[in-house]
Amino acid sequence: GDSVTQMEGPVTLSEEAFLTINCTYTATGYPSLFWYVQYPGEGLQLLLKATKADDKGSNKGFEATYRKETTSFHLEKGSVQVSDSAVYFCALSGFGNEKLTFGTGTRLTIIP
Amino acid sequence: GAVVSQHPSRVICKSGTSVKIECRSLDFQATTMFWYRQFPKQSLMLMATSNEGSKATYEQGVEKDKFLINHASLTLSTLTVTSAHPEDSSFYICSATSSNTQYFGPGTRLTVL
Repeated sequence: GDSVTQMEGPVTLSEEAFLTINCTYTATGYPSLFWYVQYPGEGLQLLLKATKADDKGSNKGFEATYRKETTSFHLEKGSVQVSDSAVYFCALSGFGNEKLTFGTGTRLTIIP
Repeated sequence: GAVVSQHPSRVICKSGTSVKIECRSLDFQATTMFWYRQFPKQSLMLMATSNEGSKATYEQGVEKDKFLINHASLTLSTLTVTSAHPEDSSFYICSATSSNTQYFGPGTRLTVL
């Protein structure tokens, strides 16, 4: 079945550091890929998505590129801020299937 | 656009009582909504898929008689936790699909005493 493997946390970085959170997936066909962010005590917010190979999703300075050859969708940001502290979830939905398969989540803490 | 709300945001109840949680899509119609449960510092566990006008589809291991789901309209799904016990204490999150993307509600923190 479909699965998502995500970089284990927690991750602690200093403000303005470069961020990478790795995400790889296993799926049949051509899934859509997502990054969601969860701030403390809140639900999940869609951060970005990509629906086909080589697509790049971007939002709020975060980027991720759908790499079919490496089955990856790594999240990057050039300069993180304290307000980026949250838990980040990589997820996929299979072709023609609305259900989401989530990674385990990566807790990110940015220190001033 | 694509805003999903949940009510209540927090609820505390006594063991043996039932609790209803509402999930609404505010600016779009959703034939399908999903209910998740999240334990502290863990990922989301899909409980069931709620289909407007028909019975919900439950994931393996989820008791359908304990977690009653009703999707009476295209903008409202409800989850009722019946005869709640302390082990049902958790963070419950719903989502609704728009344009092949799931949008999540803010979650409901249930505490059963």
